[in-house]
Amino acid sequence: DAMVIQNPRYQVTQFGKPVTLSCSQTLNHNVMYWYQQKSSQAPKLLFHYYDKDFNNEADTPDNFQSRRPNTSFCFLDIRSPGLGDAAMYLCATSAGFQETQYFGPGTRLLVL
Amino acid sequence: AQTVTQSQPEMSVQEAETVTLSCTYDTSESDYYLFWYKQPPSRQMILVIRQEAYKQQNATENRFSVNFQKAAKSFSLKISDSQLGDAAMYFCAYGSSNTGKLIFGQGTTLQVKP
Repeated sequence: DAMVIQNPRYQVTQFGKPVTLSCSQTLNHNVMYWYQQKSSQAPKLLFHYYDKDFNNEADTPDNFQSRRPNTSFCFLDIRSPGLGDAAMYLCATSAGFQETQYFGPGTRLLVL
Repeated sequence: AQTVTQSQPEMSVQEAETVTLSCTYDTSESDYYLFWYKQPPSRQMILVIRQEAYKQQNATENRFSVNFQKAAKSFSLKISDSQLGDAAMYFCAYGSSNTGKLIFGQGTTLQVKP
């Protein structure tokens, strides 16, 4: 089945130690999004790629970066995780801006 | 800026009964989409229903239907014949057709009682 896959499902890192979260899709969608969802809160968009075009939300911290080496994969890099970065990170894809977004299962990040 | 408000943090319904979850939004855009997503305790966000703002007809998906009132900027979700598997957090979301960005409400936790 076509789907959005996120690895790992759980990630533990140390304060200040860089971490990379992975998202892949078999839907061949043009757009890939990264959302941050803190406990008991709504998801918040960090950035997205439309093909190779990257768009960063204005309030996304500089600590967060993303890479999309090809259509199928997108990575979220957190350069120096702080305790406040502990959250669920959701990847979503859509065929275009006017199309429905489909979400992966998320990666829960814990920062010690 | 667009905002989405869900005023019911928690709701409960008896199995087989009907429940309505409320959502209001604010926007100055003319072209947009509205969604209800379900997030069960496993945390995977699942699409429940989608509504195009330019369509007057309310969207329906099996037991799920919406009441879309564009002038009032209201978008409620009705779940008929509630099932135990409907228990989850429900998010109302606004989708911009210009940027694709989803703006979520704070969510409503739905409990289904047997």
